[in-house]
Amino acid sequence: ETVLTQSPATLSLSPGERATLSCRASQSVGTFLAWYQQKPGQAPRLLIYDASNRATGIPARFSGSGSGTDFTLTISSLEPEDFAVYYCQQCTNWARTFGQGTKLEIK
Amino acid sequence: EVQLLESGGGLVQPGGSLRLSCAASGFTFNNYGMSWVRQAPGRGLEWVSAINSGGEVTRYADSVKGRFTISRDNSKNTLYLQMSSLRAEDTAVYYCAKDFNRGNFDYWGQGTLVTVSS
Repeated sequence: ETVLTQSPATLSLSPGERATLSCRASQSVGTFLAWYQQKPGQAPRLLIYDASNRATGIPARFSGSGSGTDFTLTISSLEPEDFAVYYCQQCTNWARTFGQGTKLEIK
Repeated sequence: EVQLLESGGGLVQPGGSLRLSCAASGFTFNNYGMSWVRQAPGRGLEWVSAINSGGEVTRYADSVKGRFTISRDNSKNTLYLQMSSLRAEDTAVYYCAKDFNRGNFDYWGQGTLVTVSS
């Protein structure tokens, strides 16, 4: 099983600042890595797939990068609605795993 | 508009069984793999099981292997999760999710709560 480790667990920033979230895989996943945003009481929303492709309707301030075992989600300038929990996710041989999440909170 | 509507959740005693359903609409159901993902109260997301578009390929998380069975009825556009030998740690909101691209999920249901307690 491929384990995904996200850091930091909590990130405290102010609107307008840049956010950098990390996801590390226990073995190479190529570029088969996605990012989701989840707000309280809501289902997750797909932000990024294939490590760097924005999903439909996702603002350009969200970007993803990385390959192999190290991945990054960057939010260039935080908007109030961006404060949420973010998860990375991979798929290998039809089995999926999620990271434990990074909570992005308002400073 | 893609819609995924889960049902079947509720309170069940430890060791009991429950079957979840997910009714899909707004897309060609038999063209896509589907998954179940759960979230225990206050915890993160945990992938539970996946099934391919035709139903021939299934995968399970180690935590549910041998106890849960995923299936689908493409004639009814419905995904199922049969859960047995339920444990307290299976308590969670269970989401069904539509596959997109290579194992990602582009649409999710609203979730159904399963509570395992005596």
